Amino acid sequence: EAGVAQSPRYKIIEKRQSVAFWCNPISGHATLYWYQQILGQGPKLLIQFQNNGVVDDSQLPKDRFSAERLKGVDSTLKIQPAKLEDSAVYLCASSLGGGRAGNEQFFGPGTRLTVL
Amino acid sequence: GDSVTQMEGPVTLSEEAFLTINCTYTATGYPSLFWYVQYPGEGLQLLLKATKADDKGSNKGFEATYRKETTSFHLEKGSVQVSDSAVYFCALSTSEGAQKLVFGQGTRLTINP
Repeated sequence: EAGVAQSPRYKIIEKRQSVAFWCNPISGHATLYWYQQILGQGPKLLIQFQNNGVVDDSQLPKDRFSAERLKGVDSTLKIQPAKLEDSAVYLCASSLGGGRAGNEQFFGPGTRLTVL
Repeated sequence: GDSVTQMEGPVTLSEEAFLTINCTYTATGYPSLFWYVQYPGEGLQLLLKATKADDKGSNKGFEATYRKETTSFHLEKGSVQVSDSAVYFCALSTSEGAQKLVFGQGTRLTINP
């Protein structure tokens, strides 16, 4: 079974530029998550989708970050304009959903973003 | 809000030593608890989980018991190997609603031969 795919793996941009990340979840997984992992910290949820609807985006900086999940499958996360503090690894995860306790989330390899 | 506090790292041990990585949590309701591991150059992987009080999760020789009375989920292994060197994250998810994961800050473990 293929895992969660993400691209690109690495991205270097200058501040005030824009960037987009792509995620393809495991086939059949209804729930998709984007996390931000700053160096030395644990991942922090940015946004969660259930199919193509947003469940939780309370920690997404909406003035610069946006995300969409068209057709309830692939997702893109965009930053525009980027700031130095956006340097982090952006992780995509997916799960079957359904609200079961202990639902396992499967993580992709992440995209390492460096903002200069 | 919900939070997870992990033992400060890094932790360095010799092969075959006993390992404990402490994890405590604060949550409303009855969360599920997880340990995730990130090996060098790889993505996050689920190591073990427990979904209710007194449950014990186990995998690859690692164990952790969900202790509601002390709000803890400490990770243990009786005899570590060099291949266990990784970053370990304790996490919780709420039993209702969005079920997002809330992570601790991670503990880097290095095992020397």
